[in-house]
Amino acid sequence: EAGVAQSPRYKIIEKRQSVAFWCNPISGHATLYWYQQILGQGPKLLIQFQNNGVVDDSQLPKDRFSAERLKGVDSTLKIQPAKLEDSAVYLCASSSNPRNSPLHFGNGTRLTVT
Amino acid sequence: TQLLEQSPQFLSIQEGENLTVYCNSSSVFSSLQWYRQEPGEGPVLLVTVVTGGEVKKLKRLTFQFGDARKDSSLHITAAQPGDTGLYLCAGVETSGSRLTFGEGTQLTVNP
Repeated sequence: EAGVAQSPRYKIIEKRQSVAFWCNPISGHATLYWYQQILGQGPKLLIQFQNNGVVDDSQLPKDRFSAERLKGVDSTLKIQPAKLEDSAVYLCASSSNPRNSPLHFGNGTRLTVT
Repeated sequence: TQLLEQSPQFLSIQEGENLTVYCNSSSVFSSLQWYRQEPGEGPVLLVTVVTGGEVKKLKRLTFQFGDARKDSSLHITAAQPGDTGLYLCAGVETSGSRLTFGEGTQLTVNP
């Protein structure tokens, strides 16, 4: 089966600019996650979708981050405006059943904010 | 948010040595997963443990879930350079479906 697809692979922007990331999960996976992974740390959950509804966005900095999954398939994560501390790898993952199935991760988008 | 603490944070060993990585929490998890991540890639699942006291083996890797389902360990026998990577434990909260990751253990196996 095809894996989780993410784009772009790399992105460099200046602070206060906007950026968007795209994710296409594994076909049929109802649950989609966005994680932020700062260098040297474990992934931190930003938002979890079940189909096109938000299950958990408690750790999403909503003043600058937004995400949508309008048709319950692919998803976009946006940062507006970006700050230096947003430099990280943004990982998208999907799962068929979050309670007893593993997460399948994409290779991430590496964001550098200068 | 339930927190997972991993130790050690960094580990550099010689090929052929054994090692153990620990994952501890004060909270109970319904299940715990171990992932391995290589540079430039996303984490890849190694194993899921569900039952307290459960032990699972994957070739030279042995995973154990604590009796109280609050902690876990990963033991690697006769480490090889191909084992180099970031090892992450992640727990599924009992109250929902959120998967919380530890900070990871960066393992380097030198030939």
